[in-house]
Amino acid sequence: DAKTTQPNSMESNEEEPVHLPCNHSTISGTDYIHWYRQLPSQGPEYVIHGLTSNVNNRMASLAIAEDRKSSTLILHRATLRDAAVYYCILREITSNTGKLIFGQGTTLQVKP
Amino acid sequence: DSGVTQTPKHLITATGQRVTLRCSPRSGDLSVYWYQQSLDQGLQFLIQYYNGEERAKGNILERFSAQQFPDLHSELNLSSLELGDSALYFCASSWGTGLSFSTDTQYFGPGTRLTVL
Repeated sequence: DAKTTQPNSMESNEEEPVHLPCNHSTISGTDYIHWYRQLPSQGPEYVIHGLTSNVNNRMASLAIAEDRKSSTLILHRATLRDAAVYYCILREITSNTGKLIFGQGTTLQVKP
Repeated sequence: DSGVTQTPKHLITATGQRVTLRCSPRSGDLSVYWYQQSLDQGLQFLIQYYNGEERAKGNILERFSAQQFPDLHSELNLSSLELGDSALYFCASSWGTGLSFSTDTQYFGPGTRLTVL
């Protein structure tokens, strides 16, 4: 499985945008980029995924570099409820198993 | 609420004992996954079942076993428990086409916290 690298922790102020980076320099052309997050005392939850183009949904935006070696999860207006561990995960397009390989993730603190 | 239910929420037991964790997937989901989360190892994939059959195995110990029943609920059996097995155990489910899971969204349950004394 291709590896991802994320900062251990980041801080943000409430109602400001947050950019969470992820490096995946060994990504293959068939790897999807997925983001999950884990709120305190809860199971992980899906945030967003993409392959090549930037993606938006109601939770966040995903910006993917042109060479696909990095991506950025963007929370447009952070709220206190967004404080969580954010995981960037690669999944192969041809994978016949859905397993998620979690790294250490980025712990996001949101200050009021 | 993800729609995935896990029971029990908490389990306290002694070393050497055996426990069973239960998971009910979201309605219609064919795949069930088990993950273990401990402080030192983080979130680790244990095993996946798809429509009753084992699809993938991760770092699951031989003392652990799982199965998925015809009604698609799943059980994770942990035996000869050791102190190091204390962890949060999450179940997740996804629809899954059976061919490719690359864009499949997993929905996680609230977890079972296992404490081995």
